[in-house]
Amino acid sequence: DIQITQSPSTLSASVGDRVTITCRARQSISTWLAWYQVKPGKAPKLLIYAASSLERGVPSRFSGSGSGTEFTLTISSLQPDDFATYYCHQYNAYFGPGTTVDIK
Amino acid sequence: EVQLVESGGGLVQPGGSLRLSCAASGLSFSNYWMSWVRQAPGKGLEWVANINLDGSRKNYVDSVRGRFTISRDNAKNSLFLQMDTLSGEDTALYYCAINQFWGRGTLVTVSS
Repeated sequence: DIQITQSPSTLSASVGDRVTITCRARQSISTWLAWYQVKPGKAPKLLIYAASSLERGVPSRFSGSGSGTEFTLTISSLQPDDFATYYCHQYNAYFGPGTTVDIK
Repeated sequence: EVQLVESGGGLVQPGGSLRLSCAASGLSFSNYWMSWVRQAPGKGLEWVANINLDGSRKNYVDSVRGRFTISRDNAKNSLFLQMDTLSGEDTALYYCAINQFWGRGTLVTVSS
């Protein structure tokens, strides 16, 4: 089974900061990866699919990149609504352990 | 538009069973691997199981292997999850997923 690691586990940042989260797969998964934002009590929100495609309605400050085994989610200028936990997800398989973005 | 609709959740006693269903539309169902994922209250996202195009290959997370069985019916565009020997740790919102497409989920509560 291909498994996913994600770093950092926690990230403290301020509004306006540029934030980068990384996921690594043990073996190549091409671009079969998505990024989700999770807030308490709410359904997971798809941000990025196919590694770099922005889901409709998601602000353009979110971007994804990578292929093969290394992927990144970048928030170009952190906004108050972005404090949440982020997960990468190999399609139809494992999630990363999550990155909680909290207020510095 | 891809639509996935889960059903079959509910309250069940520890040791009991439930069968979840997922009805898919808006895509060529038989062309896709499918999976179940779950989110327990206050916890993160967890992949549960997946199944290949014709149902001949199935994979499970360690915590459910031997208790859960994933299956599909391509003629009916449907995915299933038979859950046996349930415990409180299986309490979660269960989602049907195809790549980046998810349903709204069905709630499974295991409690006496």
